Amino acid sequence: DAGVIQSPRHEVTEMGQEVTLRCKPISGHNSLFWYRQTMMRGLELLIYFNNNVPIDDSGMPEDRFSAKMPNASFSTLKIQPSEPRDSAVYFCASRRGTEGAFFGQGTRLTVV
Amino acid sequence: KNEVEQSPQNLTAQEGEFITINCSYSVGISALHWLQQHPGGGIVSLFMLSSGKKKHGRLIATINIQEKHSSLHITASHPRDSAVYICAVRAGAQKLVFGQGTRLTINP
Repeated sequence: DAGVIQSPRHEVTEMGQEVTLRCKPISGHNSLFWYRQTMMRGLELLIYFNNNVPIDDSGMPEDRFSAKMPNASFSTLKIQPSEPRDSAVYFCASRRGTEGAFFGQGTRLTVV
Repeated sequence: KNEVEQSPQNLTAQEGEFITINCSYSVGISALHWLQQHPGGGIVSLFMLSSGKKKHGRLIATINIQEKHSSLHITASHPRDSAVYICAVRAGAQKLVFGQGTRLTINP
């Protein structure tokens, strides 16, 4: 298996633009997580899905952030409009049942 | 006070030394993870523990549920072990709470 695949690996965008991050979880995994990592706050859970249904989005910073999981093999995290303080590394992770989670390589987002 | 505290925050050692990284938590947990983040940014799950001890190669992880404390040990450390090590606890059904990480540097 190729593992959790995230795209793009790097994104540089101007403030105000819409940004869409993508994640393909490992086949057969039924939970998917979006995390954000910054120097100041470390790793934070933004939202997680179980069987494609959002379970807890309390970590989503504000209405500019939205996440979808239209099917078991794909999820997106969208920021609209983006702001410089959104600059961070965004990780997607997936897992099956209560096993350990597998992380993607992350998307490094820079908003200028 | 953070729910998950790691120590030390930074650790520099010489190749071959025995390394210990500590993690203390204040919430009830169902599992504890040790993660390794490479300089390139990728994150790898090293261990998931709910009790006792696990060993994988030169890595050993222990957890004491009563004391709410876990340790990650590296024996015969090597420069390729240089990374950030992150402790994360599962509090509740799914949510992971992360420590701030320990930056380990092993010099040749």
